[in-house]
Amino acid sequence: AQTVTQSQPEMSVQEAETVTLSCTYDTSESDYYLFWYKQPPSRQMILVIRQEAYKQQNATENRFSVNFQKAAKSFSLKISDSQLGDAAMYFCAYTLPQGGSEKLVFGKGTKLTVNP
Amino acid sequence: EPEVTQTPSHQVTQMGQEVILRCVPISNHLYFYWYRQILGQKVEFLVSFYNNEISEKSEIFDDQFSVERPDGSNFTLKIRSTKLEDSAMYFCASRTGYTNDGYTFGSGTRLTVV
Repeated sequence: AQTVTQSQPEMSVQEAETVTLSCTYDTSESDYYLFWYKQPPSRQMILVIRQEAYKQQNATENRFSVNFQKAAKSFSLKISDSQLGDAAMYFCAYTLPQGGSEKLVFGKGTKLTVNP
Repeated sequence: EPEVTQTPSHQVTQMGQEVILRCVPISNHLYFYWYRQILGQKVEFLVSFYNNEISEKSEIFDDQFSVERPDGSNFTLKIRSTKLEDSAMYFCASRTGYTNDGYTFGSGTRLTVV
């Protein structure tokens, strides 16, 4: 079964500091896509960053970057210069390209608190 | 920026009643999804829809659930006879034909069954 594990139910960080959220996944496939989604208190799911498994280069989006370790099946999210608006639930997810459904499989999430 | 629109934002219904949750995906998207999130739990896949038919459904998506795209713009989720355990946040999502484009989620419908 496809699984995504986020081992940190909660994390906290001081404003302007850096925090890393961990994610591991289980698949025997070599081609897949990985995502981090942010869910603020409004409950909307917002795409933060994405990574194609065939790309060795780690994705970056402004203050957000990933550390993708394919052999270890690890996909951690680093948030630099944390801001109060980064406080949210963060969900790691992946999908297998399978020519049709390509559903997202989510982890249980990590609640990030940003302290002023 | 294009959005996925969901209505209503919150619906309260009595157990046993039928509910229809509505979604307007982004117009050039081809794949449509419903996900569910019970409060405090992870987001779970319900169903995917492509080319006017279901492409995959989860174990949760039993005979009480159905989806439709009646007019080429709206995408609906119907729950025929609601149970208390159907109380959850329901998210609609859509995407283009390219997985790498990512999935755009709506802001969700909070369904409360009493």
